[in-house]
Parts: sequence; C-alpha cells; structure tokens
Amino acid sequence: AQSVTQPDIHITVSEGASLELRCNYSYGATPYLFWYVQSPGQGLQLLLKYFSGDTLVQGIKGFEAEFKRSQSSFNLRKPSVHWSDAAEYFCAVGARSGNTPLVFGKGTRLSVIA
Amino acid sequence: DTAVSQTPKYLVTQMGNDKSIKCEQNLGHDTMYWYKQDSKKFLKIMFSYNNKELIINETVPNRFSPKSPDKAHLNLHINSLELGDSAVYFCASTPLGVKNTEAFFGQGTRLTVV
Repeated sequence: AQSVTQPDIHITVSEGASLELRCNYSYGATPYLFWYVQSPGQGLQLLLKYFSGDTLVQGIKGFEAEFKRSQSSFNLRKPSVHWSDAAEYFCAVGARSGNTPLVFGKGTRLSVIA
Repeated sequence: DTAVSQTPKYLVTQMGNDKSIKCEQNLGHDTMYWYKQDSKKFLKIMFSYNNKELIINETVPNRFSPKSPDKAHLNLHINSLELGDSAVYFCASTPLGVKNTEAFFGQGTRLTVV
C-alpha cells in the first residue's frame, strides 16, 4: 500500500532563511508526487508535481523539490522564506495507473519568525 | 471561474441532524473524490466516483452517503451527525485516462457538530 511520511510535524524558520521539508514515500512503482500548501482556513493549493523526467522540479512561489528514487524521497526546498509562506505543507503520492486517490502525508506546519 | 466549488464553506449543526455538502466541478473531469481532514490536519480519502459510479468507499460509516447526479457533481449527505464528524471536507476531481495531471481541490467545507 502507498504511504507518505513527513517526519517533521512543525518547523520554525527565520524570514530569509532557507527551508527544506522532508517527505518519504512508500510505493511499489514510480509514483506521481505532489506538494500542496494549505494556508490557515484555506483550501489546498498545488505547489509542484513530479511525473517523470528531470528529478528537480520547480513550482510556484519559488519552491522546488527533488525526487530521489534511491531514498524514496521528495523533499521540498526554498532558498529564502517569506513570512507569507507560513502554512501547512502536504506531500502526496499518486498512482500512475487509473484515477486512484492521492495518499497524503500528515503535513508539516511551517512557522516563520522575523 | 472556480474549477471545483463546494457549498457551504461553513456548516454548524447539532448532533443528530442530517446535512448535505455540495460539490461541482466545471473542468469536464470524470472522477471526483471526497476527502476528510481531521482536527490534526490529516487528509484521508472517503469516496471516489468515476462517471457517477462509486469506485472507492474507504470504510466510511453508512451515515455518509455520496450521490453523483451527473459527472460534474458529487454531493455528500450525512445522516445523524455525530461530534466526531466535525472536520473539513474537501472535494476534488481528476480527468480519467489523462496522464501527468494533478487533482484539483475545492476550498473545503468546515463542518462543526455541536
């Protein structure tokens, strides 16, 4: 069965500092991988996605993520965090075959301090 | 134009009541989903429909009954509401048979049972 682990429940970074949110997945084949962001009281916004090809993917708001098959990881990074990045971040895995639902990690809450 | 829209956005109701949440997508997608986000922010699939046909029912109590009048709509009816049903419910959709595409989410419905 598919599963996603986000080891960090809560991370606090200073504004302007770099950020890395960890995501590990378990899946029997090459999965589709996603990062979504949820601001307080809001819905889910797609930050970026990986389907195939270049393992370093660029997303919106200056985020990027790198797919590492050997480590079953898809970590999210941003070189310089802005206060508006404070939110809940979800990593998700999807199957390549058929329309199966995404499986989400439990999320990482990002706090940004001045 | 909102791609996936849910109504209402907020719903406060008493235990024992019956309520419905509506979802509509104007993307022409064939597959629609309901996810539940609990108080710990964990997102879990509840139901999946392909072209009005139930595909996935993830051990959700019988009090929850999805209804899809057409492939653009997937409503969620909940009978005899319980305190534990309080959560944010997200509707999502994906196109069938299309590779390299993500799920599109609605803004969520925050259900509070008192």
